[in-house]
Amino acid sequence: DTAVSQTPKYLVTQMGNDKSIKCEQNLGHDTMYWYKQDSKKFLKIMFSYNNKELIINETVPNRFSPKSPDKAHLNLHINSLELGDSAVYFCASRRRGLAGGNEQFFGPGTRLTVL
Amino acid sequence: AQTVTQSQPEMSVQEAETVTLSCTYDTSESNYYLFWYKQPPSRQMILVIRQEAYKQQNATENRFSVNFQKAAKSFSLKISDSQLGDTAMYFCAFMRITGNQFYFGTGTSLTVIP
Repeated sequence: DTAVSQTPKYLVTQMGNDKSIKCEQNLGHDTMYWYKQDSKKFLKIMFSYNNKELIINETVPNRFSPKSPDKAHLNLHINSLELGDSAVYFCASRRRGLAGGNEQFFGPGTRLTVL
Repeated sequence: AQTVTQSQPEMSVQEAETVTLSCTYDTSESNYYLFWYKQPPSRQMILVIRQEAYKQQNATENRFSVNFQKAAKSFSLKISDSQLGDTAMYFCAFMRITGNQFYFGTGTSLTVIP
């Protein structure tokens, strides 16, 4: 199936640990995003990459580091996890350009729980 | 900066009835895209409908339609013949035509009552 996939879907970990979330899209898109959705359902943009280049880098703690090994992948690494990092993290992708819908396609989300 | 406002945090509608969710936005751009996304309890974000600002005709997708008022910077979503499966959080989103960033509203939680 063509889609945006994320692994893992659920992540439970202790404070202070380091964890990674992986994202892959097989839609041929050139732009990928990471969002954080808090308990009030607010969607906050964190990062965006276009063709492996960082183009959006919102104010997030530097414990969060994205990495895009190629156009189809955008991973999120989080160091020294804190209680406030508990949230759902969404990966999304989009094909840039004036043609086409330009909508974002979202992955299923990763629910991160920090204990 | 662009802002998107959804002034109705929660709404409910009887099954088979019609409901309208409101969205306003603030921008100085003349060309842009607008979207409505649905997030059911499964948490998957699903595109409901999109509108290009340069198109005057309101977009429709089956039971979903929008009322796009460019001068008023308003982009409301109408759901006709509401179904139980429409119960979800609905997000309005804005994107500049030459931009990369989506600006999301705070969402409206819609409950369809049987």
